[in-house]
Amino acid sequence: GDSVTQTEGQVALSEEDFLTIHCNYSASGYPALFWYVQYPGEGPQFLFRASRDKEKGSSRGFEATYDKGTTSFHLRKASVQESDSAVYYCALGGNRIFFGDGTQLVVKP
Amino acid sequence: EAAVTQSPRSKVAVTGGKVTLSCHQTNNHDYMYWYRQDTGHGLRLIHYSYVADSTEKGDIPDGYKASRPSQENFSLILELASLSQTAVYFCASSEGGGAGQDTQYFGPGTRLLVL
Repeated sequence: GDSVTQTEGQVALSEEDFLTIHCNYSASGYPALFWYVQYPGEGPQFLFRASRDKEKGSSRGFEATYDKGTTSFHLRKASVQESDSAVYYCALGGNRIFFGDGTQLVVKP
Repeated sequence: EAAVTQSPRSKVAVTGGKVTLSCHQTNNHDYMYWYRQDTGHGLRLIHYSYVADSTEKGDIPDGYKASRPSQENFSLILELASLSQTAVYFCASSEGGGAGQDTQYFGPGTRLLVL
């Protein structure tokens, strides 16, 4: 069945570090892929999506490229800030949406 | 101006009691969802609905009922609350056209503690 795997449960970085959160999916065809972000005490918020192979989604300095060959949609940011500390969810949209387990990002000043 | 609101924001319930969580959306969306969030498990889908007066089971429906009396409102009902249902519950909505293809908009969550 359709599924999403986020490799890292937690990532700890310092400000201005480069961020990569890995997301791999399993599904047939070309499902929509999403990234959501959840700040403490809030509900998840849509960050961006991509729907086609090689399409890049981006928002707020974060980006990810849909790669059907490696079935991946890794989240990257060139220089993180303390305010980026949050939980990040990768999600796959087929007949319904499937969320990964989330990755806690902690950015130290 | 929040488009998805939930009430209550937190609740303490007793084991065996009935709990109703409410969700209201002003997005004019067809689809609404209930998720539960536990540490280490991310978001798990309990029930969803794509039209008023109809609900569908998600991945973990046991112990929960749902009700969609109108396009704007979607409730989650725990008839006999149990300790294992202590969690944070999120409601979300999305436009029609396929439950998985559209962006979901989440409410702020309800923190439920069952004692």
